[in-house]
Amino acid sequence: AQSVTQLDSQVPVFEEAPVELRCNYSSSVSVYLFWYVQYPNQGLQLLLKYLSGSTLVKGINGFEAEFNKSQTSFHLRKPSVHISDTAEYFCAVSRDRDDKIIFGKGTRLHILP
Amino acid sequence: DAGVTQSPTHLIKTRGQQVTLRCSPKSGHDTVSWYQQALGQGPQFIFQYYEEEERQRGNFPDRFSGHQFPNYSSELNVNALLLGDSALYLCASSSPTSSTDTQYFGPGTRLTVL
Repeated sequence: AQSVTQLDSQVPVFEEAPVELRCNYSSSVSVYLFWYVQYPNQGLQLLLKYLSGSTLVKGINGFEAEFNKSQTSFHLRKPSVHISDTAEYFCAVSRDRDDKIIFGKGTRLHILP
Repeated sequence: DAGVTQSPTHLIKTRGQQVTLRCSPKSGHDTVSWYQQALGQGPQFIFQYYEEEERQRGNFPDRFSGHQFPNYSSELNVNALLLGDSALYLCASSSPTSSTDTQYFGPGTRLTVL
């Protein structure tokens, strides 16, 4: 079975500062990894995904994530955040592209002015 | 091209009632998955439908049931509603024949049980 651990429930960061949201996963098989963003009172939007290939994945809105198989991590980074990045971020894993997705509990990114 | 659509947007029910939520998949997608997102939590997988059959099921009681129609749209039914069923219900669609595509999520239906 797969599981996802998001190490921080909330991350406060000043505007224009860099941010890293941490994610570790557990699985006995190869997995696909995702980061989703959820703005207040909205559904889920895919930020980026790792299916195979390069371990550095670039997504939308300037976000990127690095797959580290040895550390079973998939941390999300952005070099400079904006107030519009205020949202809940979910790390997720699945065994296949259309298999059930297992989500972490989420990290709330709070941008300070 | 419309993405995944869900109806209704919001719904208020009382304990013991039954509810039906609807989902239309993205064009070209034939697989529909349902997730429940309680307040402050990550989404949890309920079940997945493919070729009008339930293909996978998460850890949800039999009060949660579903259906998929020949046009690939899907319904989620919840019987004997409990207060704890209050949540955002998300539908996602996908296609197993795609080599790079993954699941697309709809905007969700927010269910409040009073």
